[in-house]
Amino acid sequence: EIVLTQSPATLSLSPGERATLSCRASQSVSSYLGWYQQKPGQAPRLLIYDASNRATGIPARFSGSGSGTDFTLTISSLEPEDFAVYYCQQRSYWPPLITFGQGTRLEIK
Amino acid sequence: EVQLVESGGALVQPGGSLRLSCEASGFTFSNYWMSWVRQAPGKGLEWVANIKQDGSEKYYVDSVKGRFTISRDNAKNSLYLQMNSLRAEDTAVYYCARGPLGCCSCSSCSMAYWGQGTLVTVSS
Repeated sequence: EIVLTQSPATLSLSPGERATLSCRASQSVSSYLGWYQQKPGQAPRLLIYDASNRATGIPARFSGSGSGTDFTLTISSLEPEDFAVYYCQQRSYWPPLITFGQGTRLEIK
Repeated sequence: EVQLVESGGALVQPGGSLRLSCEASGFTFSNYWMSWVRQAPGKGLEWVANIKQDGSEKYYVDSVKGRFTISRDNAKNSLYLQMNSLRAEDTAVYYCARGPLGCCSCSSCSMAYWGQGTLVTVSS
C-alpha cells in the first residue's frame, strides 16, 4: 500500500504570501497525483490532477509539480479564500486503488 | 451543470445495513468512473470504492472489502453503495465523486466533481 505523507501539518501564512505544500509518497506514483482543497462544511474541490494540470476553473496562482515520490502544491500569492485544508491523492498502478494524504491545514497568520 | 446528489444516510445500529444512492445529472454518466469517498467527523478523506464505466471493474479499500458493494445503473444515472455489517468506524459523511473520462489506470484517477455528502452514523 502506498502511503502519502503531507507536510507541514499546519502552515500559518498571511494573505499575499507564497504557500508551498509538500506530499511525499512511500514509493513512486509516477505523475499520478492530485491535489484537493476543502473548506469547512464543504465537499473537496479538485485543484490539480496528474501532478501539474490545473482542473477546470482553478486560478493560475495554484500550481503543482513533482514526479516519482516528491510533489509540491504552490499557491503563488494567497487570497483570503485560500485558507483551507489541502489533500494530496494518488492512484496505485494496479489495481487502481486510491489513497489520500492526511492533509495540510493552511491557516491565516 | 454537473450535479451529484447523495441520499440514504441514516443512524443505524452496529451490524446493520444501509444503501446509499447518488443521482447524477449534467453529464453523460456512463462515460465516467465513479467513486465513493468518506470522511469521519473531524478527520481526513478516505477513498472507499470505485467502479468502471460499465461496472465490469470494482475496487475497494481493504477495510470495507466483503462488507460494502459498489454498483451503478447507467440507465438511471445512479451510483449505489450497499453497506452491510456496519461498524462504529464506518461513521462518516459519504461523498459520491466523478472520476475520469475513459481510463483510470492512465491518469491520477482524480475526482473533479463531488456531491455534498450524506451522513452515516453507526451507533447503538
